[in-house]
Formats: sequence, C-alpha cells, structure tokens
Amino acid sequence: AQSVTQPDIHITVSEGASLELRCNYSYGATPYLFWYVQSPGQGLQLLLKYFSGDTLVQGIKGFEAEFKRSQSSFNLRKPSVHWSDAAEYFCAVGYNTNAGKSTFGDGTTLTVKP
Amino acid sequence: NAGVTQTPKFQVLKTGQSMTLQCAQDMNHNSMYWYRQDPGMGLRLIYYSASEGTTDKGEVPNGYNVSRLNKREFSLRLESAAPSQTSVYFCASSQQGTNQPQHFGDGTRLSIL
Repeated sequence: AQSVTQPDIHITVSEGASLELRCNYSYGATPYLFWYVQSPGQGLQLLLKYFSGDTLVQGIKGFEAEFKRSQSSFNLRKPSVHWSDAAEYFCAVGYNTNAGKSTFGDGTTLTVKP
Repeated sequence: NAGVTQTPKFQVLKTGQSMTLQCAQDMNHNSMYWYRQDPGMGLRLIYYSASEGTTDKGEVPNGYNVSRLNKREFSLRLESAAPSQTSVYFCASSQQGTNQPQHFGDGTRLSIL
C-alpha cells in the first residue's frame, strides 16, 4: 500500500533563510507526487506536481521540489522564505487509476520568524 | 471562478443530531472526495466518488453516508452525530486519473457537543 511520511511536524525558519521540507513516499509503481499548502482557515492549494521527466519541478510562489527515486523522496525547497509562507504543507502521492485518489502525509507546519 | 464550494462553514451540533454537509464544484470534474482533518493526523479520506453515480468508502467511513447527487454535487451526512466526529471537513474534486491534483473547498468546521 502507498504511504507518505513527512518527518518534520514543525519547522521554524527566519525570514529570508532557505527552506527544505522533507517528504518520503512508499509506492510500488511510478509515483505521482504533489505538494499542497494550507493557510489557516483555508483549504489546500496545489503548489507543484511531479509526474515524469525532469526531476526538478517548479511550482507557484517560488517553490521547487526534487524527485529522487533512489531515496524515495520528494523534498520541497525555497531559496528565501517570506513571512507569508507560514502555513501547513502537505506532501501527497497519487494512486488508483479509477479516481484521482491521493494519500497525504500528516503535514509540516512552517513558522517564519521576523 | 468559485471552484469547490462547501456549506456551511461552521456548525455546532448536539450529540445524536443529524446533519448534511454540502459540496459543489464548477470545474466539470468527475471525481469528488470527502476528508476529515484532525490535529496531527493529516487528511483522512471518508468517502469518494470516482464518477457520477458511484461512491466508495475511504479510510474512515463509519458514521457517515454520502450522496453523489449529480456531477457537480457530493454531500456528506452524519446520521447521529458523536463527539468523535468533531473535526474540519474538506470536500475536494479532481479529474479522473492518478496524475490529477485535487482542488479543495475551504472546509466546514463542525463541533459536536
């Protein structure tokens, strides 16, 4: 069965510092991977997705993620964090060809210090 | 451009009361989902509908029922609410296919006393 692990429950970074959020997945077939962001009181919004091809994918809001098959990882990065990036971030793996089902990680909460 | 609309946004119920959460999407998506989100537990799938006319259980279906009313609408019903069902409920939709991202509503915050 598929699963997603986000090892860091909570991360704090200073504004302007770089950010890396970790995601490890377990899935027997070709993974379809997603990162979503959730601001307080709102639903999840897609940041970026990986299906195939270039292992470094660019997303919205200056985020990027790198797919590493050998490490079963899909880590999210941003070179310089802004205060508005404070939110909860979810990694997900898509599965089941009959519906766009995904399994989500438990999320990482990002706090940005001024 | 509404996307996925959930109603109501907030609700307080007493134990044993019933309630239906409404969800509608205007993106012509085939698949729709209901999740619950609890602190430290991420998103857990309650039910999903791969296409109009079909529904299937997800990870935590007990105590819930769903109806795919048409392609746009997917409702979640609590027949006899319990305090353990206090949560934030999210509806989402997507095109069919493993590579399709999901689009989420803003959630319904439900408290059961």
